[in-house]
Amino acid sequence: NAGVMQNPRHLVRRRGQEARLRCSPMKGHSHVYWYRQLPEEGLKFMVYLQKENIIDESGMPKERFSAEFPKEGPSILRIQQVVRGDSAAYFCASSPDGTNYGYTFGSGTRLTVV
Amino acid sequence: AQSVTQLDSQVPVFEEAPVELRCNYSSSVSVYLFWYVQYPNQGLQLLLKYLSGSTLVKGINGFEAEFNKSQTSFHLRKPSVHISDTAEYFCAVMRGSQGNLIFGKGTKLSVKP
Repeated sequence: NAGVMQNPRHLVRRRGQEARLRCSPMKGHSHVYWYRQLPEEGLKFMVYLQKENIIDESGMPKERFSAEFPKEGPSILRIQQVVRGDSAAYFCASSPDGTNYGYTFGSGTRLTVV
Repeated sequence: AQSVTQLDSQVPVFEEAPVELRCNYSSSVSVYLFWYVQYPNQGLQLLLKYLSGSTLVKGINGFEAEFNKSQTSFHLRKPSVHISDTAEYFCAVMRGSQGNLIFGKGTKLSVKP
């Protein structure tokens, strides 16, 4: 039973390009959360999604960032026109039912903007 | 608003010594409390969690934590650390049974031989 799979593990983008980060939840999990970890900081919540629905996006920057979790396929975190300040580790977590019992994190995608 | 404070950003300790990593939270409602460990360039692994019941919670790798409601604390302890415990440790809270986690800034534990 594979865990939460994130890819790519490392992503380098030039300023102004787009970054797409993928997250495949654990089998049977239909709730996905995205977090961002800036250097020397803890993780900050970004967005909570269920299949085809955004439940809570209170942590998402207002511009350039979007997330989706389609009926089929992985959840995608998309960052348009990246800037150096977007450089961070992005972690995805999944849960079978949105409760705190089965929260599992992936290994993260480390985005570097050059 | 909820917040989590980890009082020590770095904790150096010698192998086989005891260690305590401190965590305080602020919340006006019931919370659920967690400790995660992050090894270099890896994701977060759950060490232990407090949901209800006994205030002393035992986790993996010999760690334990005690929930103290009056002091709003959830300190992590281990009686004897190993070199392999060197990692960053994060305390987190969740309000209610659903929703997102709020993390502290982390404590880097460095175990020296």
